Amino acid sequence: KAGVTQTPRYLIKTRGQQVTLSCSPISGHRSVSWYQQTPGQGLQFLFEYFSETQRNKGNFPGRFSGRQFSNSRSEMNVSTLELGDSALYLCASRTDSTDTQYFGPGTRLTVL
Amino acid sequence: AQSVTQPDIHITVSEGASLELRCNYSYGATPYLFWYVQSPGQGLQLLLKYFSGDTLVQGIKGFEAEFKRSQSSFNLRKPSVHWSDAAEYFCAVATTGRRIPTFGRGTSLIVHP
Repeated sequence: KAGVTQTPRYLIKTRGQQVTLSCSPISGHRSVSWYQQTPGQGLQFLFEYFSETQRNKGNFPGRFSGRQFSNSRSEMNVSTLELGDSALYLCASRTDSTDTQYFGPGTRLTVL
Repeated sequence: AQSVTQPDIHITVSEGASLELRCNYSYGATPYLFWYVQSPGQGLQLLLKYFSGDTLVQGIKGFEAEFKRSQSSFNLRKPSVHWSDAAEYFCAVATTGRRIPTFGRGTSLIVHP
């Protein structure tokens, strides 16, 4: 089976812009979670989607949003980018019958 | 809420030496425990997991971990480290309720030749 894929792998934006990141889960996995990883804060949970519905949400401002499509692919959007949004954004997928998450390679976002 | 502590930010070992990375968790019931490894610029790869049963868990790449309920610990071990093991290691805990893992801050492993 192919692993979790994320596109793009690298992205450079300027403050105030918005960005959309994409994640394709492992085939058969209906749960997709997003994490932000920074040197200062470590790995922080953003949100989880399951069957096109947001099931869990972390403590991030409303500028961070996501959605999931019927084929389980997910996108996350960050509006009005700030310098502090520079991070590695990781997507993880799992089946609903297991608690083991499988991670993608991440998207490195740099905000200038 | 659950939490995870990895007391060591960096650990340096010589190639061929044994390794133990510490992880302590805080959670009232029996947790689900994980160890992940992250190479530079990469995502996280699952090394091993503990859900229930035998408290000594074998993983990939020769790693093992032992769940000790009395010490709220889930330490990762390897008998002989290879240079390719140099990476960041993350311990994580999830609960039967929320099922979203909480990650520790990670331990950076440096391997000297």
